[in-house]
Amino acid sequence: GAGVSQSPSNKVTEKGKDVELRCDPISGHTALYWYRQSLGQGLEFLIYFQGNSAPDKSGLPSDRFSAERTGGSVSTLTIQRTQQEDSAVYLCASSLMVRDTQYFGPGTRLTVL
Amino acid sequence: DAKTTQPNSMESNEEEPVHLPCNHSTISGTDYIHWYRQLPSQGPEYVIHGLTSNVNNRMASLAIAEDRKSSTLILHRATLRDAAVYYCILDNYGQNFVFGPGTRLSVLP
Repeated sequence: GAGVSQSPSNKVTEKGKDVELRCDPISGHTALYWYRQSLGQGLEFLIYFQGNSAPDKSGLPSDRFSAERTGGSVSTLTIQRTQQEDSAVYLCASSLMVRDTQYFGPGTRLTVL
Repeated sequence: DAKTTQPNSMESNEEEPVHLPCNHSTISGTDYIHWYRQLPSQGPEYVIHGLTSNVNNRMASLAIAEDRKSSTLILHRATLRDAAVYYCILDNYGQNFVFGPGTRLSVLP
C-alpha cells in the first residue's frame, strides 16, 4: 500500500516568505508526527497529532511555526516569515496509534535563501 | 524529559555481530524503548522496540537491562546495508519523542 507522502519534495524560498509543507499519512493511521533534521544533525521532534489534536506544541521552535491536521488525515506544517536557520529537511511520520511503529515519509528539503 | 546517550560511532566487520549500546538512566516506568535507523539520504525506519523483556524480530534483537537503565541493540550478522545511524529513543505516549544524535555504524567489508 501507499506509504507516507510529503510535498513538495524540495522548496526554495526567500527569507521572510511563508511556506506550507504537506504530509499525507498512511490511510487509517491516527497518529502523525513532524520532525526537523538540519544538515548532518539528528532529528528534532516538533509536534505530534492524535487524530486532529496536538496535545503538546512545546516542541515547535518558535511562534512562526504552526501545524494543523484535518479530517484525521492530511497535515500541514506552516512556517511564517522564514529565516535561514529554518533550512532543513522536514520529515513526517505516521503510526496506527500513538506508541506504534512510525513510518516516515521521504521529507521536504527546505532551503531559505 | 527522559534522555538517551549513545556512542557517536562504531565500526564492525561484515558478517560479524554488532552490539549497539544505549543508556537511559532517567527512564520512567511507562517509557518504551524504540530503535530506529536512518540509511544515507533516507528517512528513519523502525528497527525494534520493547518495554521490559528482551525482544527479537527478523532485523535485530533488543536486550533490556533488568533495571531498564540501559539497552543494547544486537545485529546478529552485520551487512554493508546495515551501515546507518542508529537512534535509541524513549517513548512516553508519543510526547517528546526525542531522537538524539545516534550512533553512526560503519560496516567494513
